[in-house]
Amino acid sequence: AQKITQTQPGMFVQEKEAVTLDCTYDTSDPSYGLFWYKQPSSGEMIFLIYQGSYDQQNATEGRYSLNFQKARKSANLVISASQLGDSAMYFCAMRGEDDKIIFGKGTRLHILP
Amino acid sequence: DTGVSQNPRHKITKRGQNVTFRCDPISEHNRLYWYRQTLGQGPEFLTYFQNEAQLEKSRLLSDRFSAERPKGSFSTLEIQRTEQGDSAMYLCASSQQDSPIPEAFFGQGTRLTVV
Repeated sequence: AQKITQTQPGMFVQEKEAVTLDCTYDTSDPSYGLFWYKQPSSGEMIFLIYQGSYDQQNATEGRYSLNFQKARKSANLVISASQLGDSAMYFCAMRGEDDKIIFGKGTRLHILP
Repeated sequence: DTGVSQNPRHKITKRGQNVTFRCDPISEHNRLYWYRQTLGQGPEFLTYFQNEAQLEKSRLLSDRFSAERPKGSFSTLEIQRTEQGDSAMYLCASSQQDSPIPEAFFGQGTRLTVV
């Protein structure tokens, strides 16, 4: 069975610092994908970044990068130069070979001025 | 295309009543997902479709929940004999199976309150 684990319920980070949000996963599928989504207090789900299991390089999108360590089954999100607008819930998600997408419980990130 | 659309945005119902929610996905997307989200938690998988075929329904769902996607376009989620524990945000998402980045695009959700 597929599983996503996010062990940090909440984090407080000073503005302009980098932050790493942890995500570990479990699957027996040889091919899968990993996502990160942001959910601000407004409730919308915003896609941030995607990593395919066969991608050779770690995904990057602007200030977001995904630290993919396949052997350790981890897919941590790194946000560089954090901003006040980064305060939100962050969810790690996984898509298996059957295209089912499951989510972790999330990490609430607070950026301090 | 304006994205994934969900209706209604809010629904208040009395315990024991039936409710139905609608989701209109992005038109070319063949995958459609339903999730339930309670405050401070991650989206919990309910069910998903490939075109009109329902591929999986969560074992956590009782028989009071049913979903359809009759023509492979819009989908409905029905909850029969609602209970207070059904109060949550119900999210719909769609994706294109063979997209290079198969992200799921989410609607704004339907917030259900059972009183």
